[in-house]
Amino acid sequence: GAVVSQHPSRVICKSGTSVKIECRSLDFQATTMFWYRQFPKKSLMLMATSNEGSKATYEQGVEKDKFLINHASLTLSTLTVTSAHPEDSSFYICSAKVYTGELFFGEGSRLTVL
Amino acid sequence: GQQLNQSPQSMFIQEGEDVSMNCTSSSIFNTWLWYKQDPGEGPVLLIALYKAGELTSNGRLTAQFGITRKDSFLNISASIPSDVGIYFCAGALSGGSNYKLTFGKGTLLTVNP
Repeated sequence: GAVVSQHPSRVICKSGTSVKIECRSLDFQATTMFWYRQFPKKSLMLMATSNEGSKATYEQGVEKDKFLINHASLTLSTLTVTSAHPEDSSFYICSAKVYTGELFFGEGSRLTVL
Repeated sequence: GQQLNQSPQSMFIQEGEDVSMNCTSSSIFNTWLWYKQDPGEGPVLLIALYKAGELTSNGRLTAQFGITRKDSFLNISASIPSDVGIYFCAGALSGGSNYKLTFGKGTLLTVNP
Protein backbone atom coordinates (compact mmCIF):
# COMPACT_ATOMS: atom_id res chain seq x y z
CA GLY A 1 0.00 0.00 0.00
CA ALA A 2 0.84 3.65 -0.17
CA VAL A 3 3.12 5.12 2.49
CA VAL A 4 2.26 8.17 4.54
CA SER A 5 4.79 9.51 7.01
CA GLN A 6 4.17 11.88 9.89
CA HIS A 7 6.68 13.90 11.87
CA PRO A 8 7.26 14.31 14.73
CA SER A 9 5.83 11.20 16.33
CA ARG A 10 5.91 12.82 19.76
CA VAL A 11 6.16 16.43 20.80
CA ILE A 12 5.99 18.16 24.15
CA CYS A 13 5.58 21.89 24.28
CA LYS A 14 4.83 24.66 26.71
CA SER A 15 1.43 26.28 26.85
CA GLY A 16 1.22 29.26 24.50
CA THR A 17 3.71 27.99 21.95
CA SER A 18 2.95 26.73 18.45
CA VAL A 19 3.67 23.26 17.13
CA LYS A 20 3.90 22.12 13.53
CA ILE A 21 3.20 18.55 12.44
CA GLU A 22 4.15 17.37 8.96
CA CYS A 23 2.43 14.76 6.85
CA ARG A 24 4.11 13.42 3.74
CA SER A 25 3.01 10.98 1.08
CA LEU A 26 6.24 9.15 0.26
CA ASP A 27 5.45 7.17 -2.86
CA PHE A 28 2.46 8.91 -4.39
CA GLN A 29 1.01 12.33 -4.93
CA ALA A 30 -1.89 13.32 -2.75
CA THR A 31 -4.10 16.18 -3.83
CA THR A 32 -6.21 15.60 -0.76
CA MET A 33 -5.08 14.88 2.77
CA PHE A 34 -7.08 14.66 5.95
CA TRP A 35 -6.27 15.54 9.53
CA TYR A 36 -7.83 13.63 12.39
CA ARG A 37 -7.73 13.92 16.13
CA GLN A 38 -8.11 10.94 18.39
CA PHE A 39 -8.80 10.89 22.11
CA PRO A 40 -7.86 7.86 24.23
CA LYS A 41 -10.00 4.82 23.47
CA LYS A 42 -12.07 6.81 21.00
CA SER A 43 -12.52 6.76 17.29
CA LEU A 44 -10.94 9.19 14.85
CA MET A 45 -12.51 12.60 14.58
CA LEU A 46 -12.06 14.41 11.28
CA MET A 47 -10.74 17.93 11.81
CA ALA A 48 -10.22 19.17 8.29
CA THR A 49 -9.66 18.26 4.67
CA SER A 50 -6.47 19.62 3.20
CA ASN A 51 -6.51 20.41 -0.51
CA GLU A 52 -3.30 21.05 -2.42
CA GLY A 53 -3.09 24.63 -3.56
CA SER A 54 -6.25 25.81 -1.86
CA LYS A 55 -7.69 26.48 1.56
CA ALA A 56 -8.47 23.64 3.88
CA THR A 57 -12.06 22.71 4.65
CA TYR A 58 -12.68 22.53 8.38
CA GLU A 59 -15.28 20.43 10.12
CA GLN A 60 -17.87 22.11 12.27
CA GLY A 61 -16.52 23.08 15.64
CA VAL A 62 -12.85 23.07 14.60
CA GLU A 63 -11.20 26.47 14.91
CA LYS A 64 -9.35 27.25 11.70
CA ASP A 65 -7.28 29.97 13.35
CA LYS A 66 -6.23 27.51 16.02
CA PHE A 67 -5.39 24.64 13.72
CA LEU A 68 -3.64 26.03 10.66
CA ILE A 69 -3.37 23.70 7.71
CA ASN A 70 -1.13 24.21 4.73
CA HIS A 71 -0.95 21.89 1.73
CA ALA A 72 1.72 23.54 -0.35
CA SER A 73 2.74 20.57 -2.46
CA LEU A 74 1.32 17.27 -3.68
CA THR A 75 3.31 15.36 -1.06
CA LEU A 76 3.20 17.57 2.02
CA SER A 77 0.53 18.89 4.32
CA THR A 78 1.24 20.57 7.64
CA LEU A 79 -0.90 21.13 10.72
CA THR A 80 0.15 23.92 13.06
CA VAL A 81 -1.44 24.05 16.49
CA THR A 82 -1.18 27.71 17.44
CA SER A 83 -0.98 29.02 21.00
CA ALA A 84 -1.30 25.50 22.30
CA HIS A 85 -3.12 24.81 25.55
CA PRO A 86 -3.21 21.62 27.63
CA GLU A 87 -6.64 20.75 26.21
CA ASP A 88 -5.01 20.55 22.78
CA SER A 89 -3.02 17.55 23.98
CA SER A 90 -4.07 14.65 21.81
CA PHE A 91 -3.09 12.17 19.14
CA TYR A 92 -3.16 13.79 15.71
CA ILE A 93 -3.22 11.59 12.62
CA CYS A 94 -3.05 12.52 8.98
CA SER A 95 -4.14 10.50 6.01
CA ALA A 96 -3.98 10.71 2.25
CA LYS A 97 -6.35 9.41 -0.36
CA VAL A 98 -5.23 7.48 -3.40
CA TYR A 99 -7.19 7.52 -6.64
CA THR A 100 -8.91 4.19 -5.86
CA GLY A 101 -10.57 5.73 -2.82
CA GLU A 102 -8.47 4.08 -0.15
CA LEU A 103 -7.17 6.17 2.68
CA PHE A 104 -3.71 5.55 4.10
CA PHE A 105 -2.70 6.91 7.47
CA GLY A 106 0.46 8.30 8.95
CA GLU A 107 1.91 6.95 12.17
CA GLY A 108 0.31 9.68 14.24
CA SER A 109 1.76 12.47 16.38
CA ARG A 110 1.31 12.57 20.12
CA LEU A 111 1.11 16.18 21.31
CA THR A 112 1.48 16.98 24.99
CA VAL A 113 1.05 20.58 26.08
CA LEU A 114 2.37 21.38 29.52
CA GLY B 1 -24.93 13.21 9.18
CA GLN B 2 -24.10 9.59 8.52
CA GLN B 3 -23.73 7.35 11.52
CA LEU B 4 -21.88 4.07 11.77
CA ASN B 5 -22.73 1.51 14.40
CA GLN B 6 -19.87 -0.91 14.99
CA SER B 7 -20.26 -3.97 17.15
CA PRO B 8 -19.18 -5.45 19.36
CA GLN B 9 -17.34 -2.73 21.27
CA SER B 10 -14.90 -5.27 22.66
CA MET B 11 -14.15 -8.95 22.46
CA PHE B 12 -12.10 -11.30 24.61
CA ILE B 13 -11.26 -14.54 22.87
CA GLN B 14 -8.89 -17.46 23.10
CA GLU B 15 -6.10 -17.93 20.61
CA GLY B 16 -7.30 -20.03 17.70
CA GLU B 17 -10.90 -18.84 17.83
CA ASP B 18 -12.63 -17.08 14.96
CA VAL B 19 -13.83 -13.50 15.34
CA SER B 20 -16.58 -11.56 13.65
CA MET B 21 -17.40 -7.87 13.86
CA ASN B 22 -19.73 -5.71 11.83
CA CYS B 23 -20.79 -2.21 10.99
CA THR B 24 -24.14 -0.83 9.95
CA SER B 25 -24.90 2.56 8.57
CA SER B 26 -27.94 4.80 8.50
CA SER B 27 -27.28 5.50 4.83
CA ILE B 28 -25.44 3.97 1.92
CA PHE B 29 -21.73 4.01 1.17
CA ASN B 30 -19.90 3.17 -2.03
CA THR B 31 -16.67 2.19 -0.26
CA TRP B 32 -16.08 0.24 2.93
CA LEU B 33 -12.66 0.09 4.54
CA TRP B 34 -11.44 -1.92 7.51
CA TYR B 35 -8.48 -0.76 9.60
CA LYS B 36 -6.50 -2.06 12.53
CA GLN B 37 -4.87 0.31 15.01
CA ASP B 38 -2.19 -0.63 17.51
CA PRO B 39 -1.63 1.60 20.57
CA GLY B 40 0.19 4.81 19.74
CA GLU B 41 0.15 4.21 16.00
CA GLY B 42 -1.91 5.21 13.04
CA PRO B 43 -4.55 2.90 11.57
CA VAL B 44 -3.36 0.35 9.03
CA LEU B 45 -5.60 -0.55 6.13
CA LEU B 46 -6.61 -4.22 6.14
CA ILE B 47 -9.23 -4.58 3.45
CA ALA B 48 -10.97 -2.26 1.00
CA LEU B 49 -14.38 -3.02 -0.53
CA TYR B 50 -15.85 -1.20 -3.51
CA LYS B 51 -18.94 -3.06 -4.70
CA ALA B 52 -22.11 -4.23 -3.01
CA GLY B 53 -21.85 -7.95 -2.35
CA GLU B 54 -18.09 -7.99 -2.71
CA LEU B 55 -16.29 -10.55 -0.55
CA THR B 56 -12.56 -10.02 -0.13
CA SER B 57 -9.91 -11.91 1.80
CA ASN B 58 -6.50 -10.90 3.08
CA GLY B 59 -4.83 -13.90 4.69
CA ARG B 60 -6.93 -14.88 7.69
CA LEU B 61 -9.15 -11.83 7.26
CA THR B 62 -12.34 -11.78 5.23
CA ALA B 63 -14.65 -8.83 4.76
CA GLN B 64 -17.86 -8.30 2.85
CA PHE B 65 -19.66 -5.26 1.47
CA GLY B 66 -23.33 -5.74 2.25
CA ILE B 67 -25.86 -5.96 -0.56
CA THR B 68 -27.83 -3.02 0.83
CA ARG B 69 -24.60 -0.92 0.86
CA LYS B 70 -25.38 -0.07 4.47
CA ASP B 71 -23.35 -2.73 6.22
CA SER B 72 -20.11 -4.66 6.24
CA PHE B 73 -18.52 -7.37 8.32
CA LEU B 74 -14.98 -8.46 9.07
CA ASN B 75 -14.06 -12.00 10.05
CA ILE B 76 -10.74 -13.11 11.48
CA SER B 77 -10.09 -16.83 11.45
CA ALA B 78 -7.79 -18.76 13.78
CA SER B 79 -6.87 -15.71 15.84
CA ILE B 80 -3.32 -15.25 17.13
CA PRO B 81 -1.97 -12.95 19.86
CA SER B 82 -0.76 -10.33 17.38
CA ASP B 83 -4.34 -9.81 16.24
CA VAL B 84 -4.83 -7.76 19.41
CA GLY B 85 -5.77 -4.18 18.68
CA ILE B 86 -8.63 -1.91 17.78
CA TYR B 87 -10.44 -2.58 14.53
CA PHE B 88 -12.29 0.23 12.81
CA CYS B 89 -14.71 0.10 9.96
CA ALA B 90 -15.01 3.16 7.77
CA GLY B 91 -17.42 4.05 5.03
CA ALA B 92 -17.10 6.58 2.28
CA LEU B 93 -19.55 8.08 -0.16
CA SER B 94 -17.54 9.95 -2.70
CA GLY B 95 -18.77 12.10 -5.50
CA GLY B 96 -16.67 14.52 -7.43
CA SER B 97 -14.41 16.47 -5.10
CA ASN B 98 -16.47 15.66 -2.04
CA TYR B 99 -14.99 12.73 -0.18
CA LYS B 100 -15.48 11.99 3.47
CA LEU B 101 -14.71 8.87 5.46
CA THR B 102 -16.97 8.08 8.41
CA PHE B 103 -15.49 5.84 11.10
CA GLY B 104 -17.12 3.38 13.41
CA LYS B 105 -16.26 3.58 17.10
CA GLY B 106 -14.02 0.57 16.94
CA THR B 107 -13.89 -2.98 18.26
CA LEU B 108 -11.22 -3.71 20.85
CA LEU B 109 -9.96 -7.25 20.37
CA THR B 110 -8.08 -9.11 23.10
CA VAL B 111 -6.64 -12.53 22.34
CA ASN B 112 -5.62 -14.74 25.24
CA PRO B 113 -2.74 -17.09 24.42
